[in-house]
Amino acid sequence: EVQLVESGGILVQPGGSLRLSCAASGFTFSSYWMSWVRRAPGKGLEWVANIKQDGTEKYYVDSVKGRFTISRDNAKNSLFLQMNSLRVEDTAVYYCTFSSGRSDYWGQGTLVTVSS
Amino acid sequence: EIVLTQSPGTLSLSPGERATLSCRASQSVSSSYLAWYQQKPGQAPRLLIYDTSSRGSGIPDRFSGSGSGTDFTLTISRLEPEDFAVYYCQHYVSSARTFGQGTKLEIK
Repeated sequence: EVQLVESGGILVQPGGSLRLSCAASGFTFSSYWMSWVRRAPGKGLEWVANIKQDGTEKYYVDSVKGRFTISRDNAKNSLFLQMNSLRVEDTAVYYCTFSSGRSDYWGQGTLVTVSS
Repeated sequence: EIVLTQSPGTLSLSPGERATLSCRASQSVSSSYLAWYQQKPGQAPRLLIYDTSSRGSGIPDRFSGSGSGTDFTLTISRLEPEDFAVYYCQHYVSSARTFGQGTKLEIK
């Protein structure tokens, strides 16, 4: 069974940093592009970042470029999102996700709250 | 950068009725890279349709997708009570996964 389990979401002050993790199991992690997607309270889904299977290509939504870094450790079946210079508008539930043809897999999400 | 605009913002219908949701892209997109998602409160999104018209795993056949170029449609032929949720279209390529702003489907 495919499982994606996010962790690391907490309350942090504006300007602070946070590292989210996603533990993957039940599939060949190193074979898939992986993504982070977020949903802010009362708003819609927003794609945040993508990373290629071997980590050589990374892409970000404009609003997080230069502040967030996506990475992965294929040996540990783990995906990460390093979040720096956090802003109030980064408050959201962050999901780890990937697609495999007819199926799409998502974690349960981890809540990041940026507030003073 | 492609922008996806969904309409209407909110759709009020009754169970048993037909729902038609629209997604318009700011420029022509390949129909191979257009998907639809459903999200209910407190749950992760669920893939309904990929490649414009292919149903995801386990998705009932009352859900169908169509379209090309800049205009895409999700149709729910006969609404069931569990279909009332928020729906998103998405354009996906390796470098980005852009979502529309969503359509809320509510019970009339």
